[in-house]
Amino acid sequence: GAGVSQSPSNKVTEKGKDVELRCDPISGHTALYWYRQSLGQGLEFLIYFQGNSAPDKSGLPSDRFSAERTGGSVSTLTIQRTQQEDSAVYLCASSLVGKRGGLGTDTQYFGPGTRLTVL
Amino acid sequence: AQKVTQAQTEISVVEKEDVTLDCVYETRDTTYYLFWYKQPPSGELVFLIRRNSFDEQNEISGRYSWNFQKSTSSFNFTITASQVVDSAVYFCALSNSNSGYALNFGKGTSLLVTP
Repeated sequence: GAGVSQSPSNKVTEKGKDVELRCDPISGHTALYWYRQSLGQGLEFLIYFQGNSAPDKSGLPSDRFSAERTGGSVSTLTIQRTQQEDSAVYLCASSLVGKRGGLGTDTQYFGPGTRLTVL
Repeated sequence: AQKVTQAQTEISVVEKEDVTLDCVYETRDTTYYLFWYKQPPSGELVFLIRRNSFDEQNEISGRYSWNFQKSTSSFNFTITASQVVDSAVYFCALSNSNSGYALNFGKGTSLLVTP
């Protein structure tokens, strides 16, 4: 079956512009996660959704970052007024359930990522 | 607080050698989950294994094996008879229900297998 998909695969933008990154999780997966991978910081957790709800937004680096999920499926990560330090690969993952629904159900499967370059 | 330490930044081996990637974790939770992911040069993170804190049984999958020891808070990964295709960055990660199972990753170990 189809895995997690992300678009665009690459995004180059100018400092100060807004960008939207999209994630389409595996069908039926109720939990969705956003991570960021950069050279200096490694793999950082940003935010997760259980259904359409985001219980924990503490991982978002600043108030320029926001995310939403609609219909329990597609999620969009928005970065406003981009800065050069936002340059990174943004990874999305999904899992069958975010709560303890059984062995192996919380295993996250990752998409190919969106490489964001802010000039 | 949770923390995952992968002390080995880079490892280089010759094909057919065995190699062990170390992972040490810290957590105050009694129930937690440990993972290994592989990130080949293509960039996509590939799930390898998941372990529950209450299951210390070691696991073998082909040339891959994992040694989980709660007494030393370690979850080491061994590749037997390494191959060039094993060249990748390997990440160890920890999660629990308190943070919605968000993964807390180590810094990764870059493995280079040369012919």
